[in-house]
Amino acid sequence: RKEVEQDPGPFNVPEGATVAFNCTYSNSASQSFFWYRQDCRKEPKLLMSVYSSGNEDGRFTAQLNRASQYISLLIRDSKLSDSATYLCVVNEGTYKYIFGTGTRLKVLA
Amino acid sequence: EAGVTQFPSHSVIEKGQTVTLRCDPISGHDNLYWYRRVMGKEIKFLLHFVKESKQDESGMPNNRFLAERTGGTYSTLKVQPAELEDSGVYFCASSQIATYYEQYFGPGTRLTVT
Repeated sequence: RKEVEQDPGPFNVPEGATVAFNCTYSNSASQSFFWYRQDCRKEPKLLMSVYSSGNEDGRFTAQLNRASQYISLLIRDSKLSDSATYLCVVNEGTYKYIFGTGTRLKVLA
Repeated sequence: EAGVTQFPSHSVIEKGQTVTLRCDPISGHDNLYWYRRVMGKEIKFLLHFVKESKQDESGMPNNRFLAERTGGTYSTLKVQPAELEDSGVYFCASSQIATYYEQYFGPGTRLTVT
């Protein structure tokens, strides 16, 4: 079983749609959680950290469910520029990141 | 503020040759990390430096890989001799000590071994 699992997609959604991604992690002792965005052939860029209380940044909302060991990312009012791969990242209390394979999103005009 | 930079952006070498990748972290970031993504797989951790000291090299595939960070500034990752399975994208990341959990990535070096 992978340490961090994501549906690879692609998720094809029309502009203006709401889309949600989930990610599950295997280590219940994991401490920090992040969503990164990666455009084609570019570096991963931090989108948002994920806190137990949930957090929102504009059109983006992240949630953490420790009991079920999953995190989610909700994107409202999708824009063409949201098209990218979204990487779920878990930190188990050490310095290294554990990545999921990423979920590919395509927002269609 | 300049981000993490990596050189070269692409490298194509033959099996058995040596390649050295370079990473310049964000100024003031004492933590430096190397990661690798091979085709179709997730990005995987290779190793972590704090200043010039290796803290964790548990992800290094084998002894053909050597990472250094002399002086605690830039880092190099040498692959010698390169094998076909070393092909992939090598990312460097850096973070501050206080906010170690927020890592900033460089654009990566795409290595192709033929």
